[in-house]
Amino acid sequence: KAGVTQTPRYLIKTRGQQVTLSCSPISGHRSVSWYQQTPGQGLQFLFEYFSETQRNKGNFPGRFSGRQFSNSRSEMNVSTLELGDSALYLCASSLTRDPGANVLTFGAGSRLTVL
Amino acid sequence: GQNIDQPTEMTATEGAIVQINCTYQTSGFNGLFWYQQHAGEAPTFLSYNVLDGLEEKGRFSSFLSRSKGYSYLLLKELQMKDSASYLCAVNTNAGKSTFGDGTTLTVKP
Repeated sequence: KAGVTQTPRYLIKTRGQQVTLSCSPISGHRSVSWYQQTPGQGLQFLFEYFSETQRNKGNFPGRFSGRQFSNSRSEMNVSTLELGDSALYLCASSLTRDPGANVLTFGAGSRLTVL
Repeated sequence: GQNIDQPTEMTATEGAIVQINCTYQTSGFNGLFWYQQHAGEAPTFLSYNVLDGLEEKGRFSSFLSRSKGYSYLLLKELQMKDSASYLCAVNTNAGKSTFGDGTTLTVKP
């Protein structure tokens, strides 16, 4: 079965612009989480969606937002881009929110460069 | 909040054994995961511990002590392809996974 699909894979933006990233989870997976990965900060949790509702949120400013659709696909949006937003954005899906079954399957990521 | 600590880098020789440690402080602990991430690729699941003790899976084993807030990942018979970053992640009752910064393992011939 298809894995987690993230689009676009690479993108370049300039400061002040906004960007939307998309994530299609594994079929049947209802939980989608987003992470930001940078060399200095590791994998930082952004937010988690389950059944179209944001269930958890990390410590990121309000410029970072997301949503989940009824088919479990998710998007995240970053507005007013800053240089420090350059990172690899990873999406992960899991079958349920049950921690015991919450093995995350990651997509290949969207690498954002802000100039 | 949660604190997860792992060594930044480790080096080992092909065929040897290496142990990567992870210590954590969290409330509502509900499982610890190890993921492997090769450079330029997505993290992939390696192991999961929720009870104290050792879980063995081929060349890889993972140990957990909940009372000590401590886990380790043991890699045996190291191969060159094991060169990667190893991420320790703690799950909470709220269903949130928090990751450590990762340990970059370099396997040398």
